[in-house]
Amino acid sequence: NAGVTQTPKFQVLKTGQSMTLQCAQDMNHNSMYWYRQDPGMGLRLIYYSASEGTTDKGEVPNGYNVSRLNKREFSLRLESAAPSQTSVYFCASRPGLASNEQFFGPGTRLTVL
Amino acid sequence: DQQVKQNSPSLSVQEGRISILNCDYTNSMFDYFLWYKKYPAEGPTFLISISSIKDKNEDGRFTVFLNKSAKHLSLHIVPSQPGDSAVYFCAASNNAGNMLTFGGGTRLMVKP
Repeated sequence: NAGVTQTPKFQVLKTGQSMTLQCAQDMNHNSMYWYRQDPGMGLRLIYYSASEGTTDKGEVPNGYNVSRLNKREFSLRLESAAPSQTSVYFCASRPGLASNEQFFGPGTRLTVL
Repeated sequence: DQQVKQNSPSLSVQEGRISILNCDYTNSMFDYFLWYKKYPAEGPTFLISISSIKDKNEDGRFTVFLNKSAKHLSLHIVPSQPGDSAVYFCAASNNAGNMLTFGGGTRLMVKP
């Protein structure tokens, strides 16, 4: 049982390049989330998927798109990376309505030059 | 405007003593609160939570207190151990539960 996995662990992009961050969970959770963590800012929600087939914006969605590929996988895409998107990105999952607890992956450290 | 605030960026405590981490919130719709612990290069891990219908929840060395009138919660760790050294995040949600709002974190250092 791997929990929540994220790929890649590290990535360096140039301004304007695109990339997709991958996330998968093997806990049969309904909801999945993408956060970014910046120093002193805590974790801020980018997008979430309450259930397979649905996605919604979080606090900081600009510059990002998401795809809930199936119940296991939730990807985050940067179409045209900017230096302001340099951050650590965390994916999380949650069982469903019965629990508020979210389970986090190990993170992807992204640097945009 | 941050709805969840942790006003102490860092805290240093001697091993064996009590660690008290504080968190304030402004949104009265929040009714469920969680604490997460984060080690470097790892994702946050759930520590303890409390519903707004309670004012205290204990789990071993960890106790969370909630003061709804003051919109304040605190995490007590007794006794503190060097392995508790990490960044602690306070988070809050409403009864829909879909979104967690996090504080900025407090770095706890427990000295042997």
